[in-house]
Amino acid sequence: SQTIHQWPATLVQPVGSPLSLECTVEGTSNPNLYWYRQAAGRGLQLLFYSVGIGQISSEVPQNLSASRPQDRQFILSSKKLLLSDSGFYLCAWRSWGTDTQYFGPGTRLTVL
Amino acid sequence: GENVEQHPSTLSVQEGDSAVIKCTYSDSASNYFPWYKQELGKRPQLIIDIRSNVGEKKDQRIAVTLNKTAKHFSLHITETQPEDSAVYFCASAGGTSYGKLTFGQGTILTVHP
Repeated sequence: SQTIHQWPATLVQPVGSPLSLECTVEGTSNPNLYWYRQAAGRGLQLLFYSVGIGQISSEVPQNLSASRPQDRQFILSSKKLLLSDSGFYLCAWRSWGTDTQYFGPGTRLTVL
Repeated sequence: GENVEQHPSTLSVQEGDSAVIKCTYSDSASNYFPWYKQELGKRPQLIIDIRSNVGEKKDQRIAVTLNKTAKHFSLHITETQPEDSAVYFCASAGGTSYGKLTFGQGTILTVHP
């Protein structure tokens, strides 16, 4: 069966510090991968998606970036965090030819 | 791009009553409409979904209806229970969107015992 992991689970970072969040999927090949952000009390906003290794599409211009160095690994990064980057970051995956997206457990980021 | 509006933002019902949450979408090319339930601090979990070639789908106490002409879809929960209390999100995807989901803003459902 397929599983999706995210780490860390929680993170508290000062403004201006770098960020690296990791997402890995097990039990499937060539998944579509997605990064979403959820601000407190709000809906989910798509940040990036990837249909293959090295292929990244950005949905929202901001100080975040994403990379997919391996088929089942998706990384979200920032060189300098802003207060507005605080939120719940969710990674999701989908198999080719199917519709359903499955979410990882999320990383709760607080920028102080 | 696609825009999804969800109403109401909060919904309070008594245990055993029905609950209905409605969403409208803007892109007529959208063809997939999932509903997710999110409990406090947890990940969203898919509870039901529907494709545009189907008008209604049921799964026990949960049902979703789709009106393509009006571009709206609804979640119906019957015989609500306290454990149904959560935030519910609708979403849409389709066309050449590579499965990208556009979410509504969510509905906080509270079921009072």
